[in-house]
Amino acid sequence: AQTVTQSQPEMSVQEAETVTLSCTYDTSENNYYLFWYKQPPSRQMILVIRQEAYKQQNATENRFSVNFQKAAKSFSLKISDSQLGDTAMYFCAFIRSGQNFVFGPGTRLSVLP
Amino acid sequence: NAGVTQTPKFRVLKTGQSMTLLCAQDMNHEYMYWYRQDPGMGLRLIHYSVGEGTTAKGEVPDGYNVSRLKKQNFLLGLESAAPSQTSVYFCASSFGHLSTDTQYFGPGTRLTVL
Repeated sequence: AQTVTQSQPEMSVQEAETVTLSCTYDTSENNYYLFWYKQPPSRQMILVIRQEAYKQQNATENRFSVNFQKAAKSFSLKISDSQLGDTAMYFCAFIRSGQNFVFGPGTRLSVLP
Repeated sequence: NAGVTQTPKFRVLKTGQSMTLLCAQDMNHEYMYWYRQDPGMGLRLIHYSVGEGTTAKGEVPDGYNVSRLKKQNFLLGLESAAPSQTSVYFCASSFGHLSTDTQYFGPGTRLTVL
């Protein structure tokens, strides 16, 4: 069974600084997809970024980028120029074709003014 | 375009009562999902549907039933609520099946069972 681990239950960062959230996963599969979802206080789950395992290039979406290390089964999220609106729970998720999403337990990020 | 909506937003039940959560999407998505979210845990899949008239069990289906009579709606039912079902419930939908397509989530329903 696949598992997703987020070893940082809580993190904080000063506004305008950079923060990295960690995620590791366990799978024997070669083709799969990884996601980061954001859940602000409003509780809505919002897709931040996704990465296909077959792509070597790290995905980037504006201030959000990932460091995907397939051999190490690591998928960290870097948030640059942190903004107050980035305060949220962040969930790492793993999925492979035909299977269900597996979510990590989440990291609570607080951006401090 | 409202995306994915859920009703109600909050509900308090007594043990043994029943209720139905409604999820609606206006994106013409084939696939719909019900998750529950508990403190310290990620979302866990309860049931899902790959199209109108179909349902399938997810990771934690016990105590829940679902129906997908219309493509745009996915209902989650609790026949006899238990305190262990106190949770936040999220509905999601996607165009394709699971792997390649992003899931779009509703705002969640907070359910408390006393």
